[in-house]
Amino acid sequence: GAGVSQSPRYKVAKRGQDVALRCDPISGHVSLFWYQQALGQGPEFLTYFQNEAQLDKSGLPSDRFFAERPEGSVSTLKIQRTQQEDSAVYLCASRFGGEFDFGPGTRLTVT
Amino acid sequence: QKEVEQDPGPLSVPEGAIVSLNCTYSNSAFQYFMWYRQYSRKGPELLMYTYSSGNKEDGRFTAQVDKSSKYISLFIRDSQPSDSATYLCAIESQAGTALIFGKGTTLSVSS
Repeated sequence: GAGVSQSPRYKVAKRGQDVALRCDPISGHVSLFWYQQALGQGPEFLTYFQNEAQLDKSGLPSDRFFAERPEGSVSTLKIQRTQQEDSAVYLCASRFGGEFDFGPGTRLTVT
Repeated sequence: QKEVEQDPGPLSVPEGAIVSLNCTYSNSAFQYFMWYRQYSRKGPELLMYTYSSGNKEDGRFTAQVDKSSKYISLFIRDSQPSDSATYLCAIESQAGTALIFGKGTTLSVSS
């Protein structure tokens, strides 16, 4: 079966542009997580969904970041008015039981 | 103090060496400990998952947890060039939801 998929894999945005990053979790996985991984760093938690409910958004760095999962499956992470410090890999993970399955990430470069 | 500390390396070893990777954590309430491997431009993949203090072995990999000193380790025996990757320790947060990652240690195994 397919794992977690993310699109696009690479995104270049000019500073000030809005971007939308998509995550397709493994079918049936109730929990979905977004992480941000800066170069040379470990993943940092952004937000967490259980089905369509966003239970924790404490890791979102500013109100320019917004995530949604309206039907409890696909999730979108939106970043408004991108800044250079938003350049990072954005990882999505879905979870069944104790195990997290990560997608390949979207590498965002803000120029 | 960060909740999880990990020496980022880099660590370079010859093929066949025994590798020791380590993390410390600050919160004694943490219960679930994981090691992930991340190849360049890929998402993290789960290597080992442990709950209690002691050792857990899987092939060439051994995960060790010492809750009394809040110290976790991953040992790789007979290291291979294909083991060259970044190794991330991860701990499940108190709420049982998001993972907290170390910075990752970059390992290079030369043939």
